[in-house]
Amino acid sequence: AQSVSQHNHHVILSEAASLELGCNYSYGGTVNLFWYVQYPGQHLQLLLKYFSGDPLVKGIKGFEAEFIKSKFSFNLRKPSVQWSDTAEYFCAANSGNTGKLIFGQGTTLQVKP
Amino acid sequence: EAGVAQSPRYKIIEKRQSVAFWCNPISGHATLYWYQQILGQGPKLLIQFQNNGVVDDSQLPKDRFSAERLKGVDSTLKIQPAKLEDSAVYLCASSRGQGNFMNTEAFFGQGTRLTVV
Repeated sequence: AQSVSQHNHHVILSEAASLELGCNYSYGGTVNLFWYVQYPGQHLQLLLKYFSGDPLVKGIKGFEAEFIKSKFSFNLRKPSVQWSDTAEYFCAANSGNTGKLIFGQGTTLQVKP
Repeated sequence: EAGVAQSPRYKIIEKRQSVAFWCNPISGHATLYWYQQILGQGPKLLIQFQNNGVVDDSQLPKDRFSAERLKGVDSTLKIQPAKLEDSAVYLCASSRGQGNFMNTEAFFGQGTRLTVV
């Protein structure tokens, strides 16, 4: 069955600390990968996406993610977090054939000033 | 371009009542999704449309939930009768993807927060 799992449910960091959020997927066939962010009171927004090509993708606000096919992983990273990065982060995957888009359970990131 | 529009933003109903949510996707987007997001969890896919056809509804509780996308544009999701466990945010999303070309991102609406009492 198709699934996406996120390792960390709640992460607390101080400003300027580095961030890495884990994501693993289980999908047969072609898969596209995404990270979405939901700031308090706002709708889900796309941070970055991977379809093909360079496995290291860069997104908005200094975020990046690395696709490692052998590990079925797509971890999100940021070298130095800011208080404004406090939000909920969701990893998602869709089938390149049907577009069925499935989400992980989410990680709540709290950045302390 | 205008985003995904959803209404209402909030709804409170009693259990066993019925409720309907409306979604207008981004113009030209062939694929439309409905998700249920319970507090503290990730969005759970309920149904996916491509134009006016259903691609996936494997997670839709069909005894009480129904959805339609007449004319392949806007869509409604209905719950009848509602249960306490249906309290959640219902999200609508759309994407350009269609056919075998699904390498596209989904755009989300603000959601409808449903409280069943």
